[in-house]
Amino acid sequence: ETGVTQSPTHLIKTRGQQVTLRCSSQSGHNTVSWYQQALGQGPQFIFQYYREEENGRGNFPPRFSGLQFPNYSSELNVNALELDDSALYLCASRAGTGDEYTQYFGPGTRLTVL
Amino acid sequence: AQTVTQSQPEMSVQEAETVTLSCTYDTSESNYYLFWYKQPPSRQMILVIRQEAYKQQNATENRFSVNFQKAAKSFSLKISDSQLGDTAMYFCAFPFYNQGGKLIFGQGTELSVKP
Repeated sequence: ETGVTQSPTHLIKTRGQQVTLRCSSQSGHNTVSWYQQALGQGPQFIFQYYREEENGRGNFPPRFSGLQFPNYSSELNVNALELDDSALYLCASRAGTGDEYTQYFGPGTRLTVL
Repeated sequence: AQTVTQSQPEMSVQEAETVTLSCTYDTSESNYYLFWYKQPPSRQMILVIRQEAYKQQNATENRFSVNFQKAAKSFSLKISDSQLGDTAMYFCAFPFYNQGGKLIFGQGTELSVKP
C-alpha cells in the first residue's frame, strides 16, 4: 500500500458534464502526476504539478486542467466530458529530489461517461 | 524520442515455476532508471522493482529480478516461484527526464499464474 489516496473510487457522468477528481500525495512528496488509462492499455501522462505549478503536460486538450494545493494534494478537472474520457484515472506522487523519479500510485478513479 | 515496447501481450505460467517478461526501450540518455510495475485486477499500480542504468548489478527484490542489458536496451523481469497472487498486468516504464520525469509505459503483459 502506498500513501497515495484518490477519491472517488467510481464516478458516472453524462456527456458534456464536468468532473473533479482528487488525490492526496504520499507524505514528503511534493510532485504529483496524473495519468489516464484506457481499458487494456498502458497509462498515458496527462500533466504534472511541482510545488503548485504545472511543469509538464502530455497530449491532452485544455479541457483537462488541474491544481495542486499547498499541502501538495491535487485535483484533476475535466470539462465538457466526452465518451472517450471513460477511463481509469491514476494519480502518482514522488519526492521532488532524490528517489530517482520513482512514482507511487494511488488506487485510481474509474470514470464512466454515458 | 523515448519509447518502451513490451512484445508479449499475454503470458501464462504454472504456480511455482519461473517466467520472464520482456521489455525493450529506446533512449539517448546515458544514466537513467527503469521500472517494472504490477497492476492486479484491483487496479492499484504497484512498484515491483527498479534498475539504475549505471549499476552493473541486476536489481533483485525477493522473487523478482531483472536482466538489464544496457547496450541492447533490454530490461526483462524474471519472476521465480510464481504465486497465484502474481496474476496481474505488468508494465515496464521509463521516466522522460526532459519532461519532469513523466513515466512512459509499455503496452503491458497480462500474466496468468495457473494452479
